[in-house]
Amino acid sequence: AQSVTQPDARVTVSEGASLQLRCKYSYSGTPYLFWYVQYPRQGLQLLLKYYSGDPVVQGVNGFEAEFIKSNSSFHLRKASVHWSDSAVYFCAVSAMTNYNVLYFGSGTKLTVEP
Amino acid sequence: NAGVIQTPRHKVTGKGQEATLWCEPISGHSAVFWYRQTIVQGLEFLTYFRNQAPIDDSGMPKERFSAQMPNQSHSTLKIQSTQPQDSAVYLCASSLWGVYEQYFGPGTRLTVL
Repeated sequence: AQSVTQPDARVTVSEGASLQLRCKYSYSGTPYLFWYVQYPRQGLQLLLKYYSGDPVVQGVNGFEAEFIKSNSSFHLRKASVHWSDSAVYFCAVSAMTNYNVLYFGSGTKLTVEP
Repeated sequence: NAGVIQTPRHKVTGKGQEATLWCEPISGHSAVFWYRQTIVQGLEFLTYFRNQAPIDDSGMPKERFSAQMPNQSHSTLKIQSTQPQDSAVYLCASSLWGVYEQYFGPGTRLTVL
């Protein structure tokens, strides 16, 4: 079975600082990995995805993530955050053997302070 | 591209009443998913259609919940005899078949009094 752990429920950073949001997954096969962002009273928006190949993937708005198979991790990074990045971020995993169903972590609420 | 459309955005029902939630997937997307989001349980998969056919409803509560996709342009999630514990945001998503990323609607916030 697939599962995702986001160990940090809340993260606060100052505007302009770098960011890392942690994600670890559990799946024995080849995972498909995603980061989504959710702004207040909105649905989820796809930030980036990893299927295969280069373990560092680029997403929208300067976000990137690195797939580290040995560590079962897919951490999200950004070099310099902006106040508008304040939102809830979800890591998700999908497995080919279970169609396209996404399994989400519990989310990390990011607050960017001025 | 209007994205995934969900109606209503908010619904308030009394305990025991029925609630029907609507989803219009992105045109051309053949897969439609329903998820439920609560503070306690987070994001949970409910059910999934491909080319209008039900594929996997393993996340659906066994009683009172049902989903249909009568045509390629909309899907419905029906909850009979709503209970306070059904209060949640219900999210619909769609994708192209064979493409794993899903595109989400804004959700329907259901409040059961």
